[in-house]
Order: sequence, then C-alpha cells, then structure tokens
Amino acid sequence: IAGITQAPTSQILAAGRRMTLRCTQDMRHNAMYWYRQDLGLGLRLIHYSNTAGTTGKGEVPDGYSVSRANTDDFPLTLASAVPSQTSVYFCASSDRENTEAFFGQGTRLTVV
Amino acid sequence: GQNIDQPTEMTATEGAIVQINCTYQTSGFNGLFWYQQHAGEAPTFLSYNVLDGLEEKGRFSSFLSRSKGYSYLLLKELQMKDSASYLCASMDSNYQLIWGAGTKLIIKP
Repeated sequence: IAGITQAPTSQILAAGRRMTLRCTQDMRHNAMYWYRQDLGLGLRLIHYSNTAGTTGKGEVPDGYSVSRANTDDFPLTLASAVPSQTSVYFCASSDRENTEAFFGQGTRLTVV
Repeated sequence: GQNIDQPTEMTATEGAIVQINCTYQTSGFNGLFWYQQHAGEAPTFLSYNVLDGLEEKGRFSSFLSRSKGYSYLLLKELQMKDSASYLCASMDSNYQLIWGAGTKLIIKP
C-alpha cells in the first residue's frame, strides 16, 4: 500500500538514551518533514528536507538530527533523550513544497 | 512574529452547519491549508486556498481573504464522524507551514 510509514508506533525511553525514529515513504515525494505535536500546541516543525541529500532546521531543531541519504527514508535521531522530548512525532512528505502533505501514523514517545 | 489563531473547541448538532474560523499572520504567504485529525490519528488534508474566495468540496468548503488574514472552514450536513480536530496552517515565504493548535469539533446527536 502506497504511503508513509513510521516506526516504532510507540516507545518508552530512558533519559539519556539515543533513539532513532524511522520514516519511509514510497510515493517518490521530494520533500519530507518531521513534526512534534504537543497538547494545546500546533504541530511544530523539527527538521525538513526538500530533496534527497539536503536537510534544514525547523522551528524546534535542538536535540534532534536528521539525514536524507535517499528519496524514501528520513530518520530522526534523538542523541540523548530528555523528558521534554516526550511527544507525538509525525513524519510527513509532499511532492513539492506547496502541495498537500501526507502524514505517517505517528510515533508516541515517552522519555522517563 | 508568526501566529495562527483558531478556537480551541466548538460544539454542533448532527445535520447542522458549522464554521471554523482561522486568522493568520505569517512572514509572506503561499497558501492556507486545512487538515482534519481524528483523535489518535494522523492529520489528513482537506483543502488548500491561495486565492481569495470560496472553494467547495462536497460537504466541506474553505474560504480565504488574504487582505484580512482570515480563513474559515464550513462543514455542512454534519455527521458524527466529523467529530475531530481541524487544523489551520499557513504557508510562509519559505514554504514552511505554520500550524494553529487546532479546533476540536464535538458533534452531538
């Protein structure tokens, strides 16, 4: 089934641990994004990539890193998790910058 | 600064019409998006407006006034399955989406 897949679906992580959230799309979209969604706040952009080989910082990039080695994959890494990174993380992709974005099902991360 | 405002919560009756308003202030403007998000699920695309006026898509319509920095989403013939959060997002000059916190719509029988 075409779409965008995230893994894991949920995770409980000890503070200080390193964690990579995976995101894969098979729609051949150029642009990919990582957002976090917290109660009472809008989606906030962490990092983005307009095309394979390039990445950029969003609104809340600190503590996170990304890579875009190919078109399909866009992993998000937390180098040393902290409790404030407890959130729901959504990966999204779009064909071009100003077209609709398709979202993965989300990863619910709890840092304790 | 960049800001999106929309009501936190609204309640409406099944079969009725509801209008969800959104005002935006962004650095530049490349369009206004509306997404629907059911609890525990991912956002899904509803509409995109870049020119002034009304775009109709079945039971859902979206309106934009660029001069007023204002948009609304109109839902007609409400169904119970329309109970969800509705997210307004403005695309700025860098083609980044600035999101509102969402409007939780509660539909009552």
